[in-house]
Amino acid sequence: GAGVSQSPRYKVAKRGQDVALRCDPISGHVSLFWYQQALGQGPEFLTYFQNEAQLDKSGLPSDRFFAERPEGSVSTLKIQRTQQEDSAVYLCASSSPRRQTANYEQYFGPGTRLTVT
Amino acid sequence: KNEVEQSPQNLTAQEGEFITINCSYSVGISALHWLQQHPGGGIVSLFMLSSGKKKHGRLIATINIQEKHSSLHITASHPRDSAVYICAVDRSWGKLQFGAGTQVVVTP
Repeated sequence: GAGVSQSPRYKVAKRGQDVALRCDPISGHVSLFWYQQALGQGPEFLTYFQNEAQLDKSGLPSDRFFAERPEGSVSTLKIQRTQQEDSAVYLCASSSPRRQTANYEQYFGPGTRLTVT
Repeated sequence: KNEVEQSPQNLTAQEGEFITINCSYSVGISALHWLQQHPGGGIVSLFMLSSGKKKHGRLIATINIQEKHSSLHITASHPRDSAVYICAVDRSWGKLQFGAGTQVVVTP
């Protein structure tokens, strides 16, 4: 199983609960991206890591969203005090076996579908 | 206005027909990606290109950097090609900006 994996695949949370979404990238991939995809729309960028460094978090919609990748492999996206508008599919992708990150194919995980009730 | 525009939004074709999906963008890019998304969410990368044309099986992708336009063609379409096709541009270091997607349905 050499692909990107995400867990859980489905998460139902009550409004106000905290959730944590996990991404296991392809081994050795330097770059890791989180995207949010609302129903019927294309994905939107949330944040980007190069190894353990979070180089861009400009897409995080509010300070309730927090992402980390402490050892440069597994990443966790945490959403505090979930709101209904957080309902979406959260996609993780990894790429580039070397430090250069431009122009490399991205490998996507299956996504976590979050529903906030 | 979205900086990455796809057309059409929806497309229905009969098996065997030639399909074209268009993508226009208004920003500088280092590469353009064509992605396929099946029901259930899984996204697969089809092509990454920064110039010219690439072909893989029945799929062909072209890009015109000067015109800021790319097309994805499916020849001899088949029902298993039914999916959402997404165009995404790489602005510089892998941060992708996506179009809204084109829903393709191929009927037998």
